[in-house]
Amino acid sequence: DTEVTQTPKHLVMGMTNKKSLKCEQHMGHRAMYWYKQKAKKPPELMFVYSYEKLSINESVPSRFSPECPNSSLLNLHLHALQPEDSALYLCASSQEIQLGDSPLHFGNGTRLTVT
Amino acid sequence: AQSVAQPEDQVNVAEGNPLTVKCTYSVSGNPYLFWYVQYPNRGLQFLLKYITGDNLVKGSYGFEAEFNKSQTSFHLKKPSALVSDSALYFCAVRDGFNAGNNRKLIWGLGTSLAVNP
Repeated sequence: DTEVTQTPKHLVMGMTNKKSLKCEQHMGHRAMYWYKQKAKKPPELMFVYSYEKLSINESVPSRFSPECPNSSLLNLHLHALQPEDSALYLCASSQEIQLGDSPLHFGNGTRLTVT
Repeated sequence: AQSVAQPEDQVNVAEGNPLTVKCTYSVSGNPYLFWYVQYPNRGLQFLLKYITGDNLVKGSYGFEAEFNKSQTSFHLKKPSALVSDSALYFCAVRDGFNAGNNRKLIWGLGTSLAVNP
C-alpha cells in the first residue's frame, strides 16, 4: 500500500469544468510534487513545494493551479483544461527538499480524462 | 547534455531466469542514481538507489543494481525473475552539477519487462 494517498482515482471533466485533485502524506516529508504522466512515458515534473512554499513551477499553464494548505496536503486545481491534458497525475513526496537528493514516494495517481 | 538512456524498450525473460534492465547515464559531477518500478494502473515505486559507497546496491523485491563508473551504467538485475515482476521500469539520475531549484532529476524513457511463465 502506498503512503501517499491521492483522490479521486479517476476523473472525467469537460473543458469548462473546475475540479481539484487531492494528495495527502503522513511521512513528515518536507517536499511534495505534482507530476504528469502519459501512457508508458516517464513522469514530467510540474510543481515542487518545499516547506509548503512553491519552489519550482516547470512552466505549467495557468489552467493548473497548485496549492499546499499544510505540510501533509497538496492540491491541484484544474480549470478550462484541454483534451491533451488527459493523463495520469501523480503526487509524490520526499524527505529532502532538493530534487533527487532522496527517493520519491508516489501515490497511485488520478487518471484524468478531459472531454 | 545530461541524459539517461534505457536502450531497450522491452525485455522478455522466462520465469526463473535472471533478468537485466539496462541504464546508462551522462551527467556532470557525482550522480545519484535511482530505479523505480510501475505496475499497471499504479504509481511509481522506489526500488533502490546509489549515492556513494559499495557499487552493488540491493533493493526491494530481490532486485539489485551495479554502479559502473567507467561504463557510466547502472543496470538493474534480479537472479530469478517472477511473473509478478512484469512492469515498467524507470531509471533516473540526479545531476551532480546544478544545485538548488536548478537541480534536475532526469528520467529514462522506461523499459517494459515481461516475464513469461
